[in-house]
Amino acid sequence: QKEVEQNSGPLSVPEGAIASLNCTYSDRGSQSFFWYRQYSGKSPELIMFIYSNGDKEDGRFTAQLNKASQYVSLLIRDSQPSDSATYLCALPGGNNRLAFGKGNQVVVIP
Amino acid sequence: EAEVAQSPRYKITEKSQAVAFWCDPISGHATLYWYRQILGQGPELLVQFQDESVVDDSQLPKDRFSAERLKGVDSTLKIQPAELGDSAMYLCASSHNQGWNSPLHFGNGTRLTVT
Repeated sequence: QKEVEQNSGPLSVPEGAIASLNCTYSDRGSQSFFWYRQYSGKSPELIMFIYSNGDKEDGRFTAQLNKASQYVSLLIRDSQPSDSATYLCALPGGNNRLAFGKGNQVVVIP
Repeated sequence: EAEVAQSPRYKITEKSQAVAFWCDPISGHATLYWYRQILGQGPELLVQFQDESVVDDSQLPKDRFSAERLKGVDSTLKIQPAELGDSAMYLCASSHNQGWNSPLHFGNGTRLTVT
């Protein structure tokens, strides 16, 4: 089993709606989780990190962590066309190297 | 805001040729990473440096790939000989330290096409 799994296909949401992305992980001892946004042809940029169970909000983004169920989610409220990108879930693995999921593509339709 | 510099931005090479990529991390960042990202996949770590020392190169195909960071600042990743399957985006990232709470800052990447 991979360390980080992002299995859903491209997500299309209308402008103004909520986009919801999920990520599961295999190491029950994982402590920190990161969401990166990657525009097509660009490098990933950190948008959220979460360490504690529950929700963390930053502007229109909310990260939700459930350690018991080993998943972390990202919600994008009031989705904008500029949110169209691939969202990568990541967490520290061995040697603290950051292990990434394959990403979920979000397309916001005006 | 300080950035991670990478060059070249794009590289096209024929298989069996040698290629090299360069990375200059953010000043003061001790930890440097080289990631490879195949289209449609997440980045995969090739090598991690702490200062001039390799911390993790377990995923580096050492028969053809090499990486160095001689003075603990900038770094070079080399592939010799290149194969068709090496076509990917090569991303360099740096962080202040190798702790799990030290965020990674990525460069713009080098897109390699092997023909």
